Amino acid sequence: QVQLQQWGAGLLKPSETLSLTCAVNGGSFSGYYWSWIRQPPGKGLEWIGEINHSGTTNYNPSLKSRVTISIDTSKNQFSLNLISVTAADTAVYYCARAVPTRQYLRYWGQGTLATVSS
Amino acid sequence: QSALTQPASVSGSPGQSITISCSGTSSDVATYNYVSWYQQHPDKVPKLMIFDVGNRPSGVSDRFSGSKSGNTASLTISGLQAEDEADYYCSSYTIHNTLVFGTGTKVTVL
Repeated sequence: QVQLQQWGAGLLKPSETLSLTCAVNGGSFSGYYWSWIRQPPGKGLEWIGEINHSGTTNYNPSLKSRVTISIDTSKNQFSLNLISVTAADTAVYYCARAVPTRQYLRYWGQGTLATVSS
Repeated sequence: QSALTQPASVSGSPGQSITISCSGTSSDVATYNYVSWYQQHPDKVPKLMIFDVGNRPSGVSDRFSGSKSGNTASLTISGLQAEDEADYYCSSYTIHNTLVFGTGTKVTVL
């Protein structure tokens, strides 16, 4: 059974950096892409980006300049950093496992609400 | 990248069938058979319902089916039940090696 457990700071001030980490338990860590998705309150899902065990990344073009996704294969963890946050970055952030190319997300983390407020 | 286009809402009575459309472009839905559908109940984590256009993960009811024609994918829910009331999102792989989600559809069971 694959489980994703995520954590990180929930309250940030404008211009700070949002940092989240997701730990993967069960299943193979290689052979998949590890993804971040977010959902602003009352709005739809937005794909942020992904990374594989080799460190290859793909990012949403609209966020690419502010996003870094990294991976620690020794701990079966991956992380999201989003710099220079504004109120528009307030959202529930999810981590998830993606099958390469086919890109379906079968396993998700529990979600973390990140609120940006002065 | 632009979100895939879905109707804002679809409704039906218990037992009826409803279909949700998901319109994309030649950069995504039209080019790849990598369309997925997710169900999300309020304040819950999205759940994968369909992958690769028309495949169901184990444990998902066969009342859910998916199809695609050209740049439009569709999710059909047959024998609508009260528990199907939720938000539904499509997604597709794109030619830019990215994933794009649909705008989301609220399904209401009358």
